[in-house]
Amino acid sequence: QKEVEQNSGPLSVPEGAIASLNCTYSDRGSQSFFWYRQYSGKSPELIMSIYSNGDKEDGRFTAQLNKASQYVSLLIRDSQPSDSATYLCAVPRRDKIIFGKGTRLHILP
Amino acid sequence: DAGVIQSPRHEVTEMGQEVTLRCKPISGHDYLFWYRQTMMRGLELLIYFNNNVPIDDSGMPEDRFSAKMPNASFSTLKIQPSEPRDSAVYFCASSSPPTSGPSEQFFGPGTRLTVL
Repeated sequence: QKEVEQNSGPLSVPEGAIASLNCTYSDRGSQSFFWYRQYSGKSPELIMSIYSNGDKEDGRFTAQLNKASQYVSLLIRDSQPSDSATYLCAVPRRDKIIFGKGTRLHILP
Repeated sequence: DAGVIQSPRHEVTEMGQEVTLRCKPISGHDYLFWYRQTMMRGLELLIYFNNNVPIDDSGMPEDRFSAKMPNASFSTLKIQPSEPRDSAVYFCASSSPPTSGPSEQFFGPGTRLTVL
């Protein structure tokens, strides 16, 4: 079992709708999680981090963590074409970060 | 700050040639990471340094790959000899030490390597 698993997509969502991106992880001891966004041909950039169970909101983005189910999600409200990108779920492991393969999100105008 | 700087941005070479990728981390960051990204395997950590010392090179695929960090502002990733399966985007990232939680890694623009 991979440490971090994501559906590769593509996930197509109409503009203005909610995009829901999901991630599962294998290590029950994981305490914190990152979401990185990567536009085509660009490098990954951090957009959200979450450390405790529940929801964390930042503008149109909400990260959700359920440690019992070993499940992390990212919700994007009022999706915009500029949200079209690959979203990488990542789990810090001491000094380094383990990345999922990412989910490609396509917002349909 | 200029961010993480990588060179070259694109490299096309022939099988068997030596390839050297370069990275300048963000000033003050004492962690440096080398990643490789492909469609099939995603973003893979190759090696990382702390205070110029290699900490974990378990991701380096084979002896053809080597990395050095002679000082706090410069690192190289070398492939010798290169093979077509090495074709990928290679990213360098840097971060400051973790404090109350894990540190964000800042990525460079990447080097797109094509080995013919």
